[in-house]
Amino acid sequence: AQSVAQPEDQVNVAEGNPLTVKCTYSVSGNPYLFWYVQYPNRGLQFLLKYITGDNLVKGSYGFEAEFNKSQTSFHLKKPSALVSDSALYFCAVRLSNDYKLSFGAGTTVTVRA
Amino acid sequence: GAVVSQHPSRVICKSGTSVKIECRSLDFQATTMFWYRQFPKKSLMLMATSNEGSKATYEQGVEKDKFLINHASLTLSTLTVTSAHPEDSSFYICSAIPGGTEAFFGQGTRLTVV
Repeated sequence: AQSVAQPEDQVNVAEGNPLTVKCTYSVSGNPYLFWYVQYPNRGLQFLLKYITGDNLVKGSYGFEAEFNKSQTSFHLKKPSALVSDSALYFCAVRLSNDYKLSFGAGTTVTVRA
Repeated sequence: GAVVSQHPSRVICKSGTSVKIECRSLDFQATTMFWYRQFPKKSLMLMATSNEGSKATYEQGVEKDKFLINHASLTLSTLTVTSAHPEDSSFYICSAIPGGTEAFFGQGTRLTVV
């Protein structure tokens, strides 16, 4: 079985401040980890992924995430948040040999001007 | 990235009628597509895996006779909500994994049953 936890329902930050969205996972085997962003009434947009290799991965719109195997975490970060980053963020995990994704509950990010 | 197109984006239907939602892969072939349901401010729930040329695989608790899935070609999967009721009102999203790693999602369909 696999699962994802996003411990924060909401994250509020001021524009220009660092943004962190937390994610921990549980999986039996080597995980493929993903971050997606969703704007109201839209589908999910892919931000970044960890498959193998360097633990720090960089993605779209200035986002990055660090894979930490010992802590089973994959936190999403952005050094300087923008108001336009306000959205719903999902962390997801799957195994390399199974295309079924398991999603976290989602974290709503609000960046205030 | 790869493009997955979903249609319609919004649909309102009367109770008892059926509604078809289309999911197309525009720039790649997809032997497998996935259908999700999302409740307001909630995570995505996988409903079924759509397989080209064969029967869909439904997740536990999903009524296969209510949510009919057809994957007749390598670029099109359809979800038909049959005899819709207000409790079927939701946001439905499809996805595909063209390169074997990340999934790409359609724009979603907001279904309202009145």
